[in-house]
Amino acid sequence: EVQLVQSGAEVKKPGTTVKVSCKVSGYSFSDYYMHWVRQAPGKGLEWVGLVDPENGGTGYAEKFQGRLTITADTSTDTSYMELSSLTSDDTAVYFCATPASFATSGFVDYWGQGTLVIVSS
Amino acid sequence: QSALTQPASVSGSPGQSITISCTGTSSDIGYWKYVAWYQQHPGKAPKLLIFDVSNRPSGVSYRFSGSKSGNTASLTISGLQAEDEADYYCTSYRSTSTYVFGTGTRVTVL
Repeated sequence: EVQLVQSGAEVKKPGTTVKVSCKVSGYSFSDYYMHWVRQAPGKGLEWVGLVDPENGGTGYAEKFQGRLTITADTSTDTSYMELSSLTSDDTAVYFCATPASFATSGFVDYWGQGTLVIVSS
Repeated sequence: QSALTQPASVSGSPGQSITISCTGTSSDIGYWKYVAWYQQHPGKAPKLLIFDVSNRPSGVSYRFSGSKSGNTASLTISGLQAEDEADYYCTSYRSTSTYVFGTGTRVTVL
């Protein structure tokens, strides 16, 4: 069974950095991209970025360039999303998500439970 | 990098068909076949309904179908049911390992 288990909720001050983890099981972590998606309260889905666990290659949404780092640790089958210079606009639920197979042409089909990040002074 | 444009809301009666549009640009929807649709019920993770414009993953109802023309993709829900009331999002590959979501559409079953 494919499982993505994320770290717990975080409360952060403006200007600081948050790091969210996503540990996977039930499939070959290195074979499929790991995406990160966020959803602000009452708002829509926003694609954040992705990592290729096999080689560490990344792709980031333009608005996060310079303050976003997504990594993958194949020794622990865990992906990390680190976002710096936080503002209240970054308050959202952050999801990790993966295809976990080639059946859906790279589109994510499995999701973590989400991590709520609250940015507040 | 702006989001793909979807209508904020669409409604229909049970049994009817509805169509949700998703407008992008020649750099995303207009260029790539990599367009997908997700359904999200409140408090739940999104569910993949359509990938590669018109393909349904195993287990997704035949009532959901997708298409594309130029820079606009569309999701049609036929035989509308109460359980279809949810938020729907399109997404497209854009370039150099980046993707973009649509603004989202709330579907209401009257």
